[in-house]
Amino acid sequence: AQSVTQLGSHVSVSEGALVLLRCNYSSSVPPYLFWYVQYPNQGLQLLLKYTTGATLVKGINGFEAEFKKSETSFHLTKPSAHMSDAAEYFCAVTRSGGSNYKLTFGKGTLLTVNP
Amino acid sequence: DAGVIQSPRHEVTEMGQEVTLRCKPISGHNSLFWYRQTMMRGLELLIYFNNNVPIDDSGMPEDRFSAKMPNASFSTLKIQPSEPRDSAVYFCASSSKGQGSDEQFFGPGTRLTVL
Repeated sequence: AQSVTQLGSHVSVSEGALVLLRCNYSSSVPPYLFWYVQYPNQGLQLLLKYTTGATLVKGINGFEAEFKKSETSFHLTKPSAHMSDAAEYFCAVTRSGGSNYKLTFGKGTLLTVNP
Repeated sequence: DAGVIQSPRHEVTEMGQEVTLRCKPISGHNSLFWYRQTMMRGLELLIYFNNNVPIDDSGMPEDRFSAKMPNASFSTLKIQPSEPRDSAVYFCASSSKGQGSDEQFFGPGTRLTVL
């Protein structure tokens, strides 16, 4: 079974500051890893994903994440926060290979950006 | 593209009433997911369809919940009878193949309140 732990249910940063949202996963087999973003009153939208290959993954809106197998982590970063980044962010994991459709989501991290 | 369409966006009902939530997946997608989001439990997969066939309904809370997908462009999630603890946001999502690496596209959700 897979599991995801997002450290910090709420992260607050100033506009222009570094954004770091932490995600650690547990998986008995190589994982596929995802970050989704949810804006108020909307559904989830994919930011980026890691399946195979390069461990540093770039996504939309300037976000990136690095898969670190030794640390079982997939932290999300953005060099400079913008007010429009305020949203809830979800890390998710599934097993690699085959038709493994079942995503396990973390509890989410609410990002607040202060002017 | 229209994206995943859900209706209604908001539903307020009284305990004991039947509730039907509707979803139209993205055209050409053969996998459909129903999720429930609550503060306490986060995002939970209720049921997964592939090519209109229910593959995994292990997340359906109890017999009061049922889901159908009569064709590739329509699915329903029904709760009968509804209870206050069913209050949540229900999301429908679709993906092109249902494989683990696929992006899931989420609808805007239906916010259900059971009084």
